[in-house]
This record gives sequence, structure tokens and C-alpha cells, in this order.
Amino acid sequence: DAGVTQSPTHLIKTRGQQVTLRCSPKSGHDTVSWYQQALGQGPQFIFQYYEEEERQRGNFPDRFSGHQFPNYSSELNVNALLLGDSALYLCASSSATGNYGYTFGSGTRLTVV
Amino acid sequence: GESVGLHLPTLSVQEGDNSIINCAYSNSASDYFIWYKQESGKGPQFIIDIRSNMDKRQGQRVTVLLNKTVKHLSLQIAATQPGDSAVYFCAEKEAGTYKYIFGTGTRLKVLA
Repeated sequence: DAGVTQSPTHLIKTRGQQVTLRCSPKSGHDTVSWYQQALGQGPQFIFQYYEEEERQRGNFPDRFSGHQFPNYSSELNVNALLLGDSALYLCASSSATGNYGYTFGSGTRLTVV
Repeated sequence: GESVGLHLPTLSVQEGDNSIINCAYSNSASDYFIWYKQESGKGPQFIIDIRSNMDKRQGQRVTVLLNKTVKHLSLQIAATQPGDSAVYFCAEKEAGTYKYIFGTGTRLKVLA
């Protein structure tokens, strides 16, 4: 049973560029949340997608956007990259009808230079 | 957001001893709490959860205690093993929301 799959695992981008990160949720999960984890810190909530809609958003600027597809997979897009966007981006899936606990992927390490 | 920069609190314990990791949460309206373990290069891994209508929950070698009066959560690990070495995070979910707020992590080092 595959867990949460994220791609790519590592990425280097230049300031001002745009990036798309991808996530496939665990089998049976229908909800995807994205978190940003800076080095040495706890994950911070970006947003959550359910039924192909963003249903809650954290304190992140509009440069951060996302999408959920009918197969429950999701993308995180970041525009106009800043050096401060360098972080580990974590995708977490869960079931809307199950318990609240997430299953996290291993993340995408984004470096902005 | 919550952070301790690069200087995570560290708990060092001898192999076989019990470990207690503490967490102060921020919101009295939080109704669900989870402890996660994060190893280097990996995403957080679920350890144990507890709802706000409980004050204690036990798993295999782990126990979570919740004190709502002082907004405090603790994770007890019995007979700590080298494989328990990791960063541990508590996370709280506010009732009626979908986001988790992660606390400051604690690095657990198990000494042989």
C-alpha cells in the first residue's frame, strides 16, 4: 500500500521563477494538506484541499496556490519565488470520513538561489 | 509561526530509560492533538493522538497526557531505544478548523 508520494524530491530554482510541486495521497484518502517546513522549525500550514476546492488557508501570500484533481492528487504552485521560500514542502493526506490524523510524504526540498 | 530556529531543545536519555517530552499548546479551543516523530530527511510520522475529552491515552510503549487546565501535552516513551532518536512535534487542531498548528520540536537523543 503506497503512502503519500511527492515529486520531485529536490529542486533548485532562481528567484522570481515559478515552481510546481506534486502530491499523490495515500490510497483511500481524499483530503490533501500542504505544509512548509523551514530548516529547524515545525511545519506551517499552507492550505487544505477537499473535493477539488481549497477549504482552509493558512497565513501565506497569494503567490502560493494549489489544485486538487478528481483522483485526489494535488499540486502546490509558488510564483515569484523568494529566497525565503527555501524549505521542505510537505504534503499530508487524510480521509474526510476517518480519524483526523495525517499521513505525510517525505517532502520536496526546494532551494531558491 | 512557531519556531526555535536551529536551536531545538534537546533531550538526551540513556537507552532503556523512559523519556518524557513536553509541549505547551496555544489554543484552549483546540480539540484534538497529535504527536509526530520526524527523522532526518523524512516527513513527520504519526505516533499517537488524543482528543480533548480525554486526559490520557496509551499506545505501544508510548503514553500521551493532556492537561487542559494549563494547556500542556506530554509524550512518554517507555524503554527508549536508539531508533527513537528523532525530532518530536506536538500538533493541535482547533475545533471547527482543518489546520494543525505544530509546536516547537524537541530533539530526542538516545545514548547507548
